[in-house]
Amino acid sequence: KAGVTQTPRYLIKTRGQQVTLSCSPISGHRSVSWYQQTPGQGLQFLFEYFSETQRNKGNFPGRFSGRQFSNSRSEMNVSTLELGDSALYLCASSKVGVTGDEQYFGPGTRLTVT
Amino acid sequence: AQSVTQPDIHITVSEGASLELRCNYSYGATPYLFWYVQSPGQGLQLLLKYFSGDTLVQGIKGFEAEFKRSQSSFNLRKPSVHWSDAAEYFCAVASRGAQKLVFGQGTRLTINP
Repeated sequence: KAGVTQTPRYLIKTRGQQVTLSCSPISGHRSVSWYQQTPGQGLQFLFEYFSETQRNKGNFPGRFSGRQFSNSRSEMNVSTLELGDSALYLCASSKVGVTGDEQYFGPGTRLTVT
Repeated sequence: AQSVTQPDIHITVSEGASLELRCNYSYGATPYLFWYVQSPGQGLQLLLKYFSGDTLVQGIKGFEAEFKRSQSSFNLRKPSVHWSDAAEYFCAVASRGAQKLVFGQGTRLTINP
């Protein structure tokens, strides 16, 4: 079966701009989570959506937002980009959530802010 | 606060040698425990997980991990490593009821031929 798809794979933006990243989960998966990975902070949880509802949110500023559509596809948006937002953004999907079944990760979107 | 510690940032072992990667967690109750592997430029792949029951868990690619409640540890082991095991390994935990993973800082594994 097809895996988790993230688009775009690479992105270069300028400080102050905004960006939208997309995640298509595995068919039948209703839970989508987002993580930020940086060399300094490691892997940090951003938020998790289940059936279009945000169930969990990490400790990130309000510039980071997300949503999930009725087909379970998810987007995350970062407004007013800062240099520190440069990171690999990983999306993961599962049927019901990380504590219910296996969570599958996508390859990530590499965001560079200049 | 909940935390996960992987004491070893980088480990080098020879091909064919045994491997143990350490993971300690700080949680109020027994959490769900995971080990993931990340190859360069790739996402994360689940190696194994512990939810309850037998404290020795078998995973993919010949890996196993043992949950020790008294030591708050969940160490990953492999009896004989292969060059293809070179990657970064992450220990992660999730508390019961919270659908999010808290990751350790990762251990980078290098394999000497």
